[in-house]
Amino acid sequence: DAKTTQPTSMDCAEGRAANLPCNHSTISGNEYVYWYRQIHSQGPQYIIHGLKNNETNEMASLIITEDRKSSTLILPHATLRDTAVYYCIVRVAQLGAQKLVFGQGTRLTINP
Amino acid sequence: GAVVSQHPSRVICKSGTSVKIECRSLDFQATTMFWYRQFPKQSLMLMATSNEGSKATYEQGVEKDKFLINHASLTLSTLTVTSAHPEDSSFYICSAIRTGSPEQYFGPGTRLTVT
Repeated sequence: DAKTTQPTSMDCAEGRAANLPCNHSTISGNEYVYWYRQIHSQGPQYIIHGLKNNETNEMASLIITEDRKSSTLILPHATLRDTAVYYCIVRVAQLGAQKLVFGQGTRLTINP
Repeated sequence: GAVVSQHPSRVICKSGTSVKIECRSLDFQATTMFWYRQFPKQSLMLMATSNEGSKATYEQGVEKDKFLINHASLTLSTLTVTSAHPEDSSFYICSAIRTGSPEQYFGPGTRLTVT
């Protein structure tokens, strides 16, 4: 799976949009971009994933650049409960046993 | 849907004893489950891939005789830490893949403390 690079930490004010970048310059054509987050002492939680088009769900939006070498996860109105470590992972999405390789992620702190 | 549970959520055991951690997919069948370990302030490290009805596949550096994995049914995988030592103290997390889907669903984790 392709390697990703994320900032170690970020801060955001409550109520503002949190924009978390991820670089994946060696991504292959059949690899998807996945985002998970881990709130302290809990298991990771799936947020969103995409291939090349921008995606939106009830939790977040995912913006993938046209060359697919980077992406941004957007939490439109961050709350204190969004404080967590956010992991950007690229992997092939196909049936079968596809393990996830977690990097160090971005520690996002939402400040009141 | 797609709920994964772990039991126990916390366990304290004495050095030299064994402890079993259960991972269950509550509302779906999982032919594949994964076991991760996470030390404080570090990322998740994959330990092994557990396939129902077959032997687990361990990542490099993980001792298969120390971390016994059994995936006897489509809804249950167990991780047994044998002859536990204080350095085995960690947060153990499982995930499961729903049969017919590429998505992984994570359990809440089990915090193991070996005294």
